[in-house]
Amino acid sequence: DAEITQSPRHKITETGRQVTLACHQTWNHNNMFWYRQDLGHGLRLIHYSYGVHDTNKGEVSDGYSVSRSNTEDLPLTLESAASSQTSVYFCASSEGTGSYNEQFFGPGTRLTVL
Amino acid sequence: DQQVKQNSPSLSVQEGRISILNCDYTNSMFDYFLWYKKYPAEGPTFLISISSIKDKNEDGRFTVFLNKSAKHLSLHIVPSQPGDSAVYFCAASALNAGGTSYGKLTFGQGTILTVHP
Repeated sequence: DAEITQSPRHKITETGRQVTLACHQTWNHNNMFWYRQDLGHGLRLIHYSYGVHDTNKGEVSDGYSVSRSNTEDLPLTLESAASSQTSVYFCASSEGTGSYNEQFFGPGTRLTVL
Repeated sequence: DQQVKQNSPSLSVQEGRISILNCDYTNSMFDYFLWYKKYPAEGPTFLISISSIKDKNEDGRFTVFLNKSAKHLSLHIVPSQPGDSAVYFCAASALNAGGTSYGKLTFGQGTILTVHP
């Protein structure tokens, strides 16, 4: 069965370190998204990609970067982790264009920055 | 600027009764609305959706109502079951100037639903 996976599921790191969160989908979807979930804010879009070599900034992109070298993967990098980036991170993917596309979510990565 | 708002952080309901979760939006360009359900330690899963050309969509125990003039939608769960206890997110999508959106979603803050046996 097609799926979307994230690794690691839990990560503890120190302020200033570079961290990369992995996202891998086997749906063969063109569109991939990264969100963070924080109490009182719901899910906020960090970065998204509509295809290989395409990346776009979301509403909370500062301090994060992504790259898309193939269809299946969209790794999220925190260049220099900050305590404000302690959060739960979700990757999602969807197919095609237009509004009527459901997003499929991964299980999430809980990141703690000390 | 929160374009999608869920003003009730939590809702508690007795098993068998109706649960009504509300969502308001400000962007008149939104043309597709979705509800996602999220259990602890899992990713959100799609529950039900409605396009702006409709005012109601029903799927089993779940019904979504859309009031475009009020920029308001609601999710009704009847009858509520303990397994429905989860966080519910409202989300919206808009076509961009080129007529596509690639499914980019704007989410509300979520409502924690607790259904008591």
